[in-house]
Amino acid sequence: SAVISQKPSRDICQRGTSLTIQCQVDSQVTMMFWYRQQPGQSLTLIATANQGSEATYESGFVIDKFPISRPNLTFSTLTVSNMSPEDSSIYLCSVEGGTSLSSYNEQFFGPGTRLTVL
Amino acid sequence: GENVEQHPSTLSVQEGDSAVIKCTYSDSASNYFPWYKQELGKRPQLIIDIRSNVGEKKDQRIAVTLNKTAKHFSLHITETQPEDSAVYFCAAYNFNKFYFGSGTKLNVKP
Repeated sequence: SAVISQKPSRDICQRGTSLTIQCQVDSQVTMMFWYRQQPGQSLTLIATANQGSEATYESGFVIDKFPISRPNLTFSTLTVSNMSPEDSSIYLCSVEGGTSLSSYNEQFFGPGTRLTVL
Repeated sequence: GENVEQHPSTLSVQEGDSAVIKCTYSDSASNYFPWYKQELGKRPQLIIDIRSNVGEKKDQRIAVTLNKTAKHFSLHITETQPEDSAVYFCAAYNFNKFYFGSGTKLNVKP
């Protein structure tokens, strides 16, 4: 399985500022995803980030608010811009793809970034 | 797009009993159905999955069944243990995206 790290693990930010979350994978992967998970809730897909192309955003999420970079096959960043308390959540990156043909759809998650906006 | 519904939202069982969590999906194009376990403060972890060409898969105390005609799939945990207590999510995959159910909080009472 892929080993995924995220930085920072948590942060407390002031309203109106921006935070960039980094996601690093130990192997090259095509598909990377960014999710938001609010306390006690399921995972909501923000966008899909593929290397070499613009990220694809889900309904309700826009690039101006959540710009994403994907400079190579092992790294991605998600920025939460102009933050408000409603952005307080856990943000998770994930990758798709196992090491064998039978596991090619498997999804692995990073440890998450717990964001609190005051 | 795909819509995944999951039931029940909470499930409490006695240690040693079985637990069953059910999910339905709407898009017949979905072809991969993973289940994740998420402990408090941790990331979701894949525990078992099934592809659309298989009806059942088992891994020790955990099994998943898939009924493509009815568009539903279920997670079965036998001989539950306190360490099985967690939130479980089902998901359906199609067109390069995962669609998640709302989650089931399983509480195994010792």
